[in-house]
Amino acid sequence: GNSVTQMEGPVTLSEEAFLTINCTYTATGYPSLFWYVQYPGEGLQLLLKATKADDKGSNKGFEATYRKETTSFHLEKGSVQVSDSAVYFCALSPYGNNRLAFGKGNQVVVIP
Amino acid sequence: NAGVTQTPKFQVLKTGQSMTLQCAQDMNHEYMSWYRQDPGMGLRLIHYSVGAGITDQGEVPNGYNVSRSTTEDFPLRLLSAAPSQTSVYFCASSYPTGTFTEQFFGPGTRLTVL
Repeated sequence: GNSVTQMEGPVTLSEEAFLTINCTYTATGYPSLFWYVQYPGEGLQLLLKATKADDKGSNKGFEATYRKETTSFHLEKGSVQVSDSAVYFCALSPYGNNRLAFGKGNQVVVIP
Repeated sequence: NAGVTQTPKFQVLKTGQSMTLQCAQDMNHEYMSWYRQDPGMGLRLIHYSVGAGITDQGEVPNGYNVSRSTTEDFPLRLLSAAPSQTSVYFCASSYPTGTFTEQFFGPGTRLTVL
């Protein structure tokens, strides 16, 4: 089946620090991969996407590269701000199918 | 465009009560879905629809019913609420299937079942 695994636990870091959130997946075929962000009290918003191997998705300073050989899609940002505090979800959608499978999410807290 | 709207924002029910969570979208999206979000569990798919008159079960469908009589609306019904259904519910919509289709999420309904 299709599944997404995110690193365990919340992430707390200082402003301007480097952020990495690990994401690995299991899927048949060639899924599309996504990172969604949920700010406090809000719904999910698409942060970035990649639809094929070696694609790099980027948005708002965040980046993630679709690595088929390691089945990974790690999220990175070089210098976080307090406004980046949110919950981040990795997700996949099998080719030709809108059904999203989500990871458990990571709470990111950025301290001034 | 209002996007995806959900009502109510908050709801408290007693065990055994029934209710309908409303979801509407004004983007003419064919695909709509319902997820529930529980702490430490991420989002799990309850039911989805690929168009008016067509629905199917997701990962956790038990205790929930859906119907899709119009493109715009996709209500979720709880026939007999149970404490295990305490959760935050999100509705989402997107264009038909393809290589990539972004799903747009509503703001959510926080449901507590006592």
